[in-house]
Amino acid sequence: DAMVIQNPRYQVTQFGKPVTLSCSQTLNHNVMYWYQQKSSQAPKLLFHYYDKDFNNEADTPDNFQSRRPNTSFCFLDIRSPGLGDAAMYLCATSRDWGRGYSNQPQHFGDGTRLSIL
Amino acid sequence: QKEVEQDPGPLSVPEGAIVSLNCTYSNSAFQYFMWYRQYSRKGPELLMYTYSSGNKEDGRFTAQVDKSSKYISLFIRDSQPSDSATYLCASYTGRRALTFGSGTRLQVQP
Repeated sequence: DAMVIQNPRYQVTQFGKPVTLSCSQTLNHNVMYWYQQKSSQAPKLLFHYYDKDFNNEADTPDNFQSRRPNTSFCFLDIRSPGLGDAAMYLCATSRDWGRGYSNQPQHFGDGTRLSIL
Repeated sequence: QKEVEQDPGPLSVPEGAIVSLNCTYSNSAFQYFMWYRQYSRKGPELLMYTYSSGNKEDGRFTAQVDKSSKYISLFIRDSQPSDSATYLCASYTGRRALTFGSGTRLQVQP
């Protein structure tokens, strides 16, 4: 089945040690999103790619970066993870029909649960 | 004020009950409305997607949107223990990413 796949499902890293989370999709969607979800909270958008165009949310810390080398893959890099960055990180995709407008829903992966020691 | 408000629950019902989950929103520009189901330690799964005011039915699930009162509902008929999850409502203008409610945790007792 076409889907959004996140790896790894669980990631443990040390305080301050850089970590990379990955997302791949077989839906051929042109928009990819990264969300942070903390326990019992709604997902919070960090940034998204519209094709290769990167769109950062105003309140996303500089500690978070992203790369999208091609349509299928997107990475989330956390340069110096702090204890407050422990969360579930969700990747989502959608189809945008152009000019930044979409009437299509987003499809999510199962997330990567990040723990900080 | 949050753009999408949702009662966090938890909501506990017996098996077979009709469940009503509700959200309100404040942004008149929202055009698209979604319900996602999220099981523990999994990503949100799209359940229902609606555009206009009115009802949309899919099996045991009915999504209802009332744009005049900015009210979104999800009804689950003949609820099952497997429906136990967190339900997230989400709204979308069409030009930005989703705005989620905080989620309602549902527990269906066998």
